[in-house]
Amino acid sequence: DTGVSQDPRHKITKRGQNVTFRCDPISEHNRLYWYRQTLGQGPEFLTYFQNEAQLEKSRLLSDRFSAERPKGSFSTLEIQRTEQGDSAMYLCASSLRGMDYEQYFGPGTRLTVT
Amino acid sequence: DAKTTQPPSMDCAEGRAANLPCNHSTISGNEYVYWYRQIHSQGPQYIIHGLKNNETNEMASLIITEDRKSSTLILPHATLRDTAVYYCIVSASGGSNYKLTFGKGTLLTVNP
Repeated sequence: DTGVSQDPRHKITKRGQNVTFRCDPISEHNRLYWYRQTLGQGPEFLTYFQNEAQLEKSRLLSDRFSAERPKGSFSTLEIQRTEQGDSAMYLCASSLRGMDYEQYFGPGTRLTVT
Repeated sequence: DAKTTQPPSMDCAEGRAANLPCNHSTISGNEYVYWYRQIHSQGPQYIIHGLKNNETNEMASLIITEDRKSSTLILPHATLRDTAVYYCIVSASGGSNYKLTFGKGTLLTVNP
């Protein structure tokens, strides 16, 4: 257990539905990251927050994706109008500013879009 | 764009040293080498990083060649729990080094 938790661990949804995932980082970590991982590939960066500010979004993050980190604590990742191509593991990580190389990852949320 | 090249898979006997190679021939002077691993059904886990000197911590040792074009992660006494995908990542210090760029990594299988 790294101290980063994600909920739910698994989500099965029908195409076109909206889903929301939650990440609770290590409490003293001010940076939070979202990655996506498909089968057989390494994780791909999606976005990151410093405190409550979203500082970068990858091109992978289409308009259907939105992430928030209200009050700089937990974060949510919402996917609207899900597509089968969204099926993946969604990983959250956190770190201390200045130690971005040492990111602590949660167990991930596995999304299956049917 | 892949900055690192790793073998897709390796085997190691339990109790023996596991030596995982990584080529990063286009590494820049301000780029560090980072290693993470991902055990099945878990998120990645940071192992170690280095710039040009060899590094050792409680998990592993990192040997970087003098020209910095390649490195080797060494697990001195591999156990079954070390079976995982090992990722070698090259990234600049500061700036955008928050954005870890994972390749496909090396699947290390430790056999009893």
